[in-house]
Amino acid sequence: DQQVKQNSPSLSVQEGRISILNCDYTNSMFDYFLWYKKYPAEGPTFLISISSIKDKNEDGRFTVFLNKSAKHLSLHIVPSQPGDSAVYFCAASENSGGYQKVTFGTGTKLQVIP
Amino acid sequence: EPEVTQTPSHQVTQMGQEVILRCVPISNHLYFYWYRQILGQKVEFLVSFYNNEISEKSEIFDDQFSVERPDGSNFTLKIRSTKLEDSAMYFCASSVHLRDSYGYTFGSGTRLTVV
Repeated sequence: DQQVKQNSPSLSVQEGRISILNCDYTNSMFDYFLWYKKYPAEGPTFLISISSIKDKNEDGRFTVFLNKSAKHLSLHIVPSQPGDSAVYFCAASENSGGYQKVTFGTGTKLQVIP
Repeated sequence: EPEVTQTPSHQVTQMGQEVILRCVPISNHLYFYWYRQILGQKVEFLVSFYNNEISEKSEIFDDQFSVERPDGSNFTLKIRSTKLEDSAMYFCASSVHLRDSYGYTFGSGTRLTVV
């Protein structure tokens, strides 16, 4: 049962354009959502997050949108840069026995073409 | 910037052997986790650890797995009798609390190859 889904395994975007990465979830108990970026041979690094009480969070070139009714979130990167090329993981968390349990999506490999 | 350190970066072991993967979490963090990623697949939760005991474990974390925080600094994952399907990248992570918006801090991973 995949509770966090990223249906696009890969995405190619021209430098300077907008990258939109999508994520769907099924568990209505998720109350916090995160995006992680991962380069080869490195651990995931935190990028941006959003609480379920918000619908948008912006940090520089990165904006995360949350549509709770659709159980959908997206990450927008604008303008995209070649250094953004990486695998992006959507993650969702729920309070589980007093701590936050994080469930990851399968990842979307973003390639930004110079 | 504080970081989570994992050693070794790459471990090759024979099937049936025991391996210990080591992690040094960020010093003021309270929650510790192990995740793994089989090549080409998603990042999977293995186990969480808080207050010197396992908080939660997934169905992957069967009796051949164990975790320890032996000295208040290191956080280890032991696989007692490795199988070929244990080959994966294993990520350690730690957090103070997720609600600080920084989420988990991950280590760079240990690539385990079982031959």
